[in-house]
Amino acid sequence: AQKITQTQPGMFVQEKEAVTLDCTYDTSDPSYGLFWYKQPSSGEMIFLIYQGSYDQQNATEGRYSLNFQKARKSANLVISASQLGDSAMYFCAMRAENSGGSNYKLTFGKGTLLTVNP
Amino acid sequence: DAGVTQSPTHLIKTRGQQVTLRCSPKSGHDTVSWYQQALGQGPQFIFQYYEEEERQRGNFPDRFSGHQFPNYSSELNVNALLLGDSALYLCASSLMGPGTEAFFGQGTRLTVV
Repeated sequence: AQKITQTQPGMFVQEKEAVTLDCTYDTSDPSYGLFWYKQPSSGEMIFLIYQGSYDQQNATEGRYSLNFQKARKSANLVISASQLGDSAMYFCAMRAENSGGSNYKLTFGKGTLLTVNP
Repeated sequence: DAGVTQSPTHLIKTRGQQVTLRCSPKSGHDTVSWYQQALGQGPQFIFQYYEEEERQRGNFPDRFSGHQFPNYSSELNVNALLLGDSALYLCASSLMGPGTEAFFGQGTRLTVV
């Protein structure tokens, strides 16, 4: 079974500062993918970044980077230079990925509500 | 390039009724998954469709059923609606295979009264 833990129900950050959102996971699958999504109040789930368990480099997408520490089973999201529009709920998720080509369900954490203050 | 589109965006139904939600995947994607998100919670996996077959199912009763069409679009059907079925229903599409990103639609907000 897979489990995602996000221990920060809410986070506050000043505009233009960096912020780290924590995510730890637990799985027995040898190959897996880790995701971060942003969900504004409108409800749409916006894909931010993906990290494969066998990727050697940490994933980056613009102002988003994923700090992947496999031994510690953590996949923290770092947002640099926060903007007011970054205020939203952020979800960490994972799925098993086997070499046979099948990918499976996404398992989500409970989310972290980020508020960016001007 | 259109992303994942869902319809309708909002829906109000009466307890006991049936509902059908629709999803068109992102262009080029062949796999569609459905999720239920209750207020204040993370999304919960309902089921996944690939090659017009249900490939994996979460812990949801048989009242929840689905279908995938040859053009990869999908429907989620819920019978005998309960008040507890009120939630945001999200559709996600991806390519089948490791290392592929999963994109979501804007969701359908279902209210059962």
